[in-house]
Amino acid sequence: EAAVTQSPRNKVAVTGGKVTLSCNQTNNHNNMYWYRQDTGHGLRLIHYSYGAGSTEKGDIPDGYKASRPSQENFSLILELATPSQTSVYFCASGHWGGAGEQYFGPGTRLTVL
Amino acid sequence: AQKVTQTQTSISVMEKTTVTMDCVYETQDSSYFLFWYKQTASGEIVFLIRQDSYKKENATVGHYSLNFQKPKSSIGLIITATQIEDSAVYFCAMREVVSSGSWQLIFGSGTQLTVMP
Repeated sequence: EAAVTQSPRNKVAVTGGKVTLSCNQTNNHNNMYWYRQDTGHGLRLIHYSYGAGSTEKGDIPDGYKASRPSQENFSLILELATPSQTSVYFCASGHWGGAGEQYFGPGTRLTVL
Repeated sequence: AQKVTQTQTSISVMEKTTVTMDCVYETQDSSYFLFWYKQTASGEIVFLIRQDSYKKENATVGHYSLNFQKPKSSIGLIITATQIEDSAVYFCAMREVVSSGSWQLIFGSGTQLTVMP
């Protein structure tokens, strides 16, 4: 079954440290997305990609970078983590040209101390 | 800009009854797509059902159906014969095209559904 997986599932980082969240999809989808979910804000888009080598800024990109080295993999990078980036991060994939459904990974809970 | 609004923060119903969750949206597009997602207590987010704006028929998948009222910019999710395992947070979402061939979803804030035995 096609799937979106994320690693790690839980991460504790220190302020100022570098954090990399990884996402892999076997859906063969062109589009991939990174969201964060916070109480009171719902799901907010950080970065997205429409194919290998591309990354685009979403609604809240400040403090984050993204990397899409292949169709299957999409990473979110926090170069200098801050406590305000403590959140749950979701990766999703979607088919180019489709109606718009996205399929989500299980999420990564990140705590920045 | 497109916007999706869910005004019901939480709903409680008895098992085996029918529940409707509300969602209104704003868009300037003549053709658009609307979605409902379910987030379980474990955090898993699952796609449930989609409505294409150009279709007059309300979408139905299993015990999920939609009440699409285009003149009111409203897309309600109806769950019939609710089960305990339907307890979750339900998100309404709309597709927003950001560039050719690429799009994002605009999500509402979610409605917490509790199904009681």
